[in-house]
Amino acid sequence: AQSVTQPDIHITVSEGASLELRCNYSYGATPYLFWYVQSPGQGLQLLLKYFSGDTLVQGIKGFEAEFKRSQSSFNLRKPSVHWSDAAEYFCAASYNFNKFYFGSGTKLNVKP
Amino acid sequence: DVKVTQSSRYLVKRTGEKVFLECVQDMDHENMFWYRQDPGLGLRLIYFSYDVKMKEKGDIPEGYSVSREKKERFSLILESASTNQTSMYLCASSPQSGTGGEAFFGQGTRLTVV
Repeated sequence: AQSVTQPDIHITVSEGASLELRCNYSYGATPYLFWYVQSPGQGLQLLLKYFSGDTLVQGIKGFEAEFKRSQSSFNLRKPSVHWSDAAEYFCAASYNFNKFYFGSGTKLNVKP
Repeated sequence: DVKVTQSSRYLVKRTGEKVFLECVQDMDHENMFWYRQDPGLGLRLIYFSYDVKMKEKGDIPEGYSVSREKKERFSLILESASTNQTSMYLCASSPQSGTGGEAFFGQGTRLTVV
């Protein structure tokens, strides 16, 4: 069965430090891959997406993600975290846009 | 600016009531979805629709039904609300194909059943 795994439930980083959030998918073939961010009480906003081509994709708010086929991973990174990045982050995968499979989310806390 | 609009941000309903959650999108998307979000469980798909009057069950359809009479509107119905349906409900839409195939989300409806 298709699934998306985010192994880290909570992560705390200091402001200005680098960030990496992990995501692994389980599919027969490479799906379309997405990262979303959710601020408290809000809906989900797309940060970036991977469909094909260059395996390093750039997104909004200074985020990037790298697709690694050999590891079935799509990890999200940011070189320098800002306090406003504190939120919950969701990785998602889809084969055909008719179903999106979401990970359980990673809550990011940012220490001043 | 593209939009998915959910009719209510917060709702409080009594056990046994029939509850309607409404969602409207203005992007002419074929696909629409209803998810339920609970802490530690991520987003779980309740139902999705790929065309008017077409629907498919997701992973947790029990206790829910849906209606899609017009392309832009997708309603989630709780036939008889129960306390275990207290949750955040998220509506989303997406095109059926193409390079811009991400899901767009509404702001969510936080439903409390008392």
